Amino acid sequence: DTGVSQNPRHKITKRGQNVTFRCDPISEHNRLYWYRQTLGQGPEFLTYFQNEAQLEKSRLLSDRFSAERPKGSFSTLEIQRTEQGDSAMYLCASSFMTVETQYFGPGTRLLVL
Amino acid sequence: EDKVVQSPLSLVVHEGDTVTLNCSYEVTNFRSLLWYKQEKKAPTFLFMLTSSGIEKKSGRLSSILDKKELFSILNITATQTGDSAIYLCAVPEETGFQKLVFGTGTRLLVSP
Repeated sequence: DTGVSQNPRHKITKRGQNVTFRCDPISEHNRLYWYRQTLGQGPEFLTYFQNEAQLEKSRLLSDRFSAERPKGSFSTLEIQRTEQGDSAMYLCASSFMTVETQYFGPGTRLLVL
Repeated sequence: EDKVVQSPLSLVVHEGDTVTLNCSYEVTNFRSLLWYKQEKKAPTFLFMLTSSGIEKKSGRLSSILDKKELFSILNITATQTGDSAIYLCAVPEETGFQKLVFGTGTRLLVSP
């Protein structure tokens, strides 16, 4: 399968723990996006990379959140000191050159107890 | 700030019915509008509408864009249970077109 992959698919953690999610984009895609989706809402933009450079971060991305994309390939999203409000689906998408041609991964569903 | 509003929020129909989903948007610098279908996981692309492509059709699904009135509709004819999903509408945000702004989605349930 050459689509966008995300790991893990599900994560249950206790409040206060740190979690890290991984996204592997489609190999030739230079752009990578992270979104968060809660129940009954559409995806909300978190951050965006062009190659290895993080070009934009949403106000939603508090200082507990950090994302990296070393070498412009896979990306990781880390949440430190998780809170119950962090429970959501975290979606990764990648595209080549334009924002409209995004392909989404299956998401990582996080539950913070 | 860019804004995308979808209606209805949810809809239940019987197989064979025709449905119309609505998306209105407020952007000062329009470039495109996209429709996605989301089942249990990743949104999958359906249509992209632009100033030069205001009508799209694929099988039982079709979509039109009204740039003057700032809305789009997604039509599904002869609905099937497999059409049950969340339908999302999105526009690229106007500042640099670097990200998509999504509506809340319409949850469609097609009963047999």
